[in-house]
Amino acid sequence: EDQVTQSPEALRLQEGESSSLNCSYTVSGLRGLFWYRQDPGKGPEFLFTLYSAGEEKEKERLKATLTKKESFLHITAPKPEDSATYLCAVQGHTGGFKTIFGAGTRLFVKA
Amino acid sequence: GAGVSQTPSNKVTEKGKYVELRCDPISGHTALYWYRQSLGQGPEFLIYFQGTGAADDSGLPNDRFFAVRPEGSVSTLKIQRTERGDSAVYLCASSSLQGTEAFFGQGTRLTVV
Repeated sequence: EDQVTQSPEALRLQEGESSSLNCSYTVSGLRGLFWYRQDPGKGPEFLFTLYSAGEEKEKERLKATLTKKESFLHITAPKPEDSATYLCAVQGHTGGFKTIFGAGTRLFVKA
Repeated sequence: GAGVSQTPSNKVTEKGKYVELRCDPISGHTALYWYRQSLGQGPEFLIYFQGTGAADDSGLPNDRFFAVRPEGSVSTLKIQRTERGDSAVYLCASSSLQGTEAFFGQGTRLTVV
């Protein structure tokens, strides 16, 4: 069964303090791994899709990387507006296009 | 429309009642997903449509839940004989191609009292 585990559950950073969020996954043949950002009371907002080990993608202060077992979301010099819940999700080849989400990492960035 | 629209934004219903939740996807998107999200959890997959047909409904928790997409655009999630445990935010998402990024609506917060 496809599974996604995110750590830590919550992360508190000072503005400018870089860190990484982890997403460990188990899937029968990865079709794609997705990162989303979710603000309170809103639906998830798409950030990145990664398809194969070794792939990296960047957007502003965020960089996502992928290995065969996990993905990292690196946040460089975060700002208070980066505070949100970051969700990781996977689609596996045997699961059709069913997308399995992790519980998320709640990020708090203090000015 | 510009984004995925879900109505109502909030719904309070009594235990045992029937509810319908509506999703208007982005125009032209053929794939449509329904998820349920409880507080502090990630979205939980319910059902996926490709066009008019339900390609995967393995996430529907029981036969009280049903979803339709008769013309391949708007979708309705229907819940019969609601229970307090059905209280959650119901999210809809659409994508232009299978397996690509999905765009989410704001969700419908369902409260069963």
